[in-house]
Amino acid sequence: QVQLLQSGAEVKKPGASVKVSCKASGYIFADNANHWVRQAPGQGLEWVGWINNADGDTRYSPKLQGRLTITRDTSATTGYLELSGLTPEDTATYYCATNAFDLWGQGTLVRVSS
Amino acid sequence: SYELTQPSSVSVSPGQTARITCSGDVLAKKYVRWFQQKSGQAPVVVIYKDSERPSGIPERFSGSSSGTTVTLTISGARAEDEADYYCYSAADNTLGFFGGGTRLTVL
Repeated sequence: QVQLLQSGAEVKKPGASVKVSCKASGYIFADNANHWVRQAPGQGLEWVGWINNADGDTRYSPKLQGRLTITRDTSATTGYLELSGLTPEDTATYYCATNAFDLWGQGTLVRVSS
Repeated sequence: SYELTQPSSVSVSPGQTARITCSGDVLAKKYVRWFQQKSGQAPVVVIYKDSERPSGIPERFSGSSSGTTVTLTISGARAEDEADYYCYSAADNTLGFFGGGTRLTVL
């Protein structure tokens, strides 16, 4: 079954870090790339970053550069998004998607609250 | 700058044609994808490369491009088409960006 399965919801305090996983199955993970997209409650879609799973090359939103790290483990066919220095403005549902956006994970809600 | 501008809302009656525009300087040389997002669900691509329709997307969805504006057209809109629609493009360095989204109301 072709799918992206993300880790569960997280609640973090301001200043903390969060790491969200995205496990791919049913296709050749290393031949593809993944995007990460987030959506704050009631707001629009925001592109977060991208990783080429073949060589680990990454691109990050300038807005999040410096706090964001996207990695992958090809043996585990899993991608990871790590965001540090969390603020309440980072509260959102985080999605992973394939390079053509034809397959999406179910989303991971990250809530930042003191 | 990489900015895509969409109307915040569009409203049509069932059976009418809905048109949603997306404007930005980068669109003169970059393709757009259109996403449909229904409440509580992940987005779905309805148009890619400005005017290509993925398999499984109804023929009433079409896309066109002129200069720095692309348009998503839904011919004969149905109640089930009510959703938020986003345009998306990418810069030369693969940085992506979405438009602000358009709420389509069909009633």
